[in-house]
Amino acid sequence: GENVEQHPSTLSVQEGDSAVIKCTYSDSASNYFPWYKQELGKGPQLIIDIRSNVGEKKDQRIAVTLNKTAKHFSLHITETQPEDSAVYFCAASIRGDKIIFGKGTRLHILP
Amino acid sequence: GAVVSQHPSRVICKSGTSVKIECRSLDFQATTMFWYRQFPKQSLMLMATSNEGSKATYEQGVEKDKFLINHASLTLSTLTVTSAHPEDSSFYICSAPEVNPDTQYFGPGTRLTVL
Repeated sequence: GENVEQHPSTLSVQEGDSAVIKCTYSDSASNYFPWYKQELGKGPQLIIDIRSNVGEKKDQRIAVTLNKTAKHFSLHITETQPEDSAVYFCAASIRGDKIIFGKGTRLHILP
Repeated sequence: GAVVSQHPSRVICKSGTSVKIECRSLDFQATTMFWYRQFPKQSLMLMATSNEGSKATYEQGVEKDKFLINHASLTLSTLTVTSAHPEDSSFYICSAPEVNPDTQYFGPGTRLTVL
């Protein structure tokens, strides 16, 4: 089955700097790669996703890249703000099917 | 985006009792829903796939007789934790894929505490 590895487990960046979280997946059949932000005591919120037919997608300060050959995908957050502090999960799935999550990255934005 | 709700948001029960958690897709129909469990400071682990009109599919290591799933309609799936024990205390989260656009949405979660 699918296995998703996520790094780093914890990341601290100065407010205004960029944050990068990297993930790898194992199943070449996976074609949908969402990223979720989870705040304490809440369910995960979809922040951006990418499908296997594109290599990059951007939404304001958030961007995601996908390298299908290497089975790598990454989340980039620019101009980080205090409200970006949360746990971020990458995930992989075959569209419409179960989603397999990475172990999460706890992002701290330092003042 | 689409909305998925869960009820209750938190529940405390005594050991040995059963607890039912509801998951609803509010503005779209979902023939499939997924149930996850999340322990503190850990990731979401898939427990089972709920299928409307047929039996749920459980992940390896998840006891189907302990975690009963019923997908009663195209907008409702329920998870019943039977004979709950303290080790079942966890954050239970459901999700539902929306076909168009092809996106999966998560509920707000249910915090279960078994005393």
